[in-house]
Amino acid sequence: NAGVMQNPRHLVRRRGQEARLRCSPMKGHSHVYWYRQLPEEGLKFMVYLQKENIIDESGMPKERFSAEFPKEGPSILRIQQVVRGDSAAYFCASSAGTDNSPLHFGNGTRLTVT
Amino acid sequence: DQQVKQNSPSLSVQEGRISILNCDYTNSMFDYFLWYKKYPAEGPTFLISISSIKDKNEDGRFTVFLNKSAKHLSLHIVPSQPGDSAVYFCAASGRSGGGADGLTFGKGTHLIIQP
Repeated sequence: NAGVMQNPRHLVRRRGQEARLRCSPMKGHSHVYWYRQLPEEGLKFMVYLQKENIIDESGMPKERFSAEFPKEGPSILRIQQVVRGDSAAYFCASSAGTDNSPLHFGNGTRLTVT
Repeated sequence: DQQVKQNSPSLSVQEGRISILNCDYTNSMFDYFLWYKKYPAEGPTFLISISSIKDKNEDGRFTVFLNKSAKHLSLHIVPSQPGDSAVYFCAASGRSGGGADGLTFGKGTHLIIQP
């Protein structure tokens, strides 16, 4: 299966710890997006990256959250000093970046902060 | 301020009948619209899309209609099958929609197909 791969599927962190979520895009895709889904809500855009560049981070909280997509390896969404409100499903998507190419999503990482 | 709205949290339809899911948007900059289907514990799966230059796009049992003047789109599934039971998300893309090339999503409609 050459789809978008996210790991871990489930992540439990205590308040104040760091969470690292990883995403490998589909083969041939160089555009990566991170979305967050809170309970009973739709998916909210967080950040859009291309290799080694953050293109749009307008949906990222100003503090504690960061994302990268290095030249080699997966994209990482990092949440420092997690709080209970960070508990959510985090979805990564990738696209080929051509006009109107649909986003393909991974199965998400469910983060629980205790 | 929700730019993409799905006003029905859930919809129940009998197997074999038509399912119609609705979506409204407020941002006139949106020019590309998509429907995604999501099963529990899985990521959204792309279903069908439509560009603002069209008013209809059909793919098998799925048809999406776009009414630009009303800023409204709908997804028709006919005939509905048990495997169609899922949450359906409407999404839109445009200059101000969810990032440079990202999507703005509605909250979803849970479609339940009854036998």
